[in-house]
Amino acid sequence: DAGVIQSPRHEVTEMGQEVTLRCKPISGHDYLFWYRQTMMRGLELLIYFNNNVPIDDSGMPEDRFSAKMPNASFSTLKIQPSEPRDSAVYFCASSFHRGVTDTQYFGPGTRLTVL
Amino acid sequence: QKEVEQNSGPLSVPEGAIASLNCTYSDRVSQSFFWYRQYSGKSPELIMSIYSNGDKEDGRFTAQLNKASQYVSLLIRDSQPSDSATYLCAVNRGNTGTASKLTFGTGTRLQVTL
Repeated sequence: DAGVIQSPRHEVTEMGQEVTLRCKPISGHDYLFWYRQTMMRGLELLIYFNNNVPIDDSGMPEDRFSAKMPNASFSTLKIQPSEPRDSAVYFCASSFHRGVTDTQYFGPGTRLTVL
Repeated sequence: QKEVEQNSGPLSVPEGAIASLNCTYSDRVSQSFFWYRQYSGKSPELIMSIYSNGDKEDGRFTAQLNKASQYVSLLIRDSQPSDSATYLCAVNRGNTGTASKLTFGTGTRLQVTL
């Protein structure tokens, strides 16, 4: 299995621009998670999906952030408009839920820099 | 109080020694616990999970869970320079039957010296 795939791996953009991050989960996994990691705040859960349906978006910082999962093999995280404080590494993770024993597998991350 | 607390380190241990990493959590209903290792510039990777009180061993790694005291620890025996990384403790706050809504600690940086 190729693991969780994320693109792009690096993104540099200017403040005010729209940014779209992409994720392909591991085939057969039914949960997908978006995280953000910064030095100050560590690894934070932004939103997660179950069977393509958003379950909890309480971690999304504000309305500038949105996420979609149109099918079981693709998800996007969009920031519009972007701000310098959005600079972080964004990870996508997926898991197959089996009661309390599910394990999340992380993608390589997208390093976002907003100038 | 943070939901999941770890000492940020760095924790420095000599090669061959035992490294002990600790984590405390605040939510008593937490049911499953994970240790992830993250090398600099890389993504977190799962090394241990534990769900019941007591010890769980996997090679050089031992996870220990004490739900009454709300702490989980990770022991690394015979530490190697390749173990140098940040170790993230994660706690599942979800109820049985729901998704693993993990809360992560900020991590402990481990340095294994030659």
